[in-house]
Amino acid sequence: QKEVEQNSGPLSVPEGAIASLNCTYSDRGSQSFFWYRQYSGKSPELIMSIYSNGDKEDGRFTAQLNKASQYVSLLIRDSQPSDSATYLCAVNNNFNKFYFGSGTKLNVKP
Amino acid sequence: EPEVTQTPSHQVTQMGQEVILRCVPISNHLYFYWYRQILGQKVEFLVSFYNNEISEKSEIFDDQFSVERPDGSNFTLKIRSTKLEDSAMYFCASSEMARVADTQYFGPGTRLTVL
Repeated sequence: QKEVEQNSGPLSVPEGAIASLNCTYSDRGSQSFFWYRQYSGKSPELIMSIYSNGDKEDGRFTAQLNKASQYVSLLIRDSQPSDSATYLCAVNNNFNKFYFGSGTKLNVKP
Repeated sequence: EPEVTQTPSHQVTQMGQEVILRCVPISNHLYFYWYRQILGQKVEFLVSFYNNEISEKSEIFDDQFSVERPDGSNFTLKIRSTKLEDSAMYFCASSEMARVADTQYFGPGTRLTVL
């Protein structure tokens, strides 16, 4: 069973703080990793993708990947109330199938 | 910006009835996917489709389910005899290629309610 694990939260941070979201995966063959944001009742919306070990930055978002530890994280700097949502980690270990974590709910308090 | 569309947005059906959920993937995309999300649970992969055939399917995708690309634009998911536990959001997604680096873009979803 290929598992993607996330802390369900909720993670509460004050506005302007850094939010740190974590994800672990069980399949060492996993090759690409994605963070999606999902608002209640809506579809997943891609935030970032990462394929190589290290950090990848895009605006206020930084994804970090450590394949040796089978760990991927997402940092959100200067968190805004509009960032309040559920963040889904998704892992692709072949071309045609994604595995999703259960998501971490983030609350950014004004 | 191109986007994946899905119809209907909400489908209510009686248990045992057949339903067809429709999706229009992004026009230059070649790979298509269906996922479902039961309320409060994780997004679950159902099936991927390429070149008019199923590429991968999960254990959820049993004989009750089928997919089809009936024309050059639509991609459908059929559930032959719906059960109460089929109630969920169904998301269609598409990607340009199936390279490892390719991203799947999700449609807005169809909420299926089985009574």
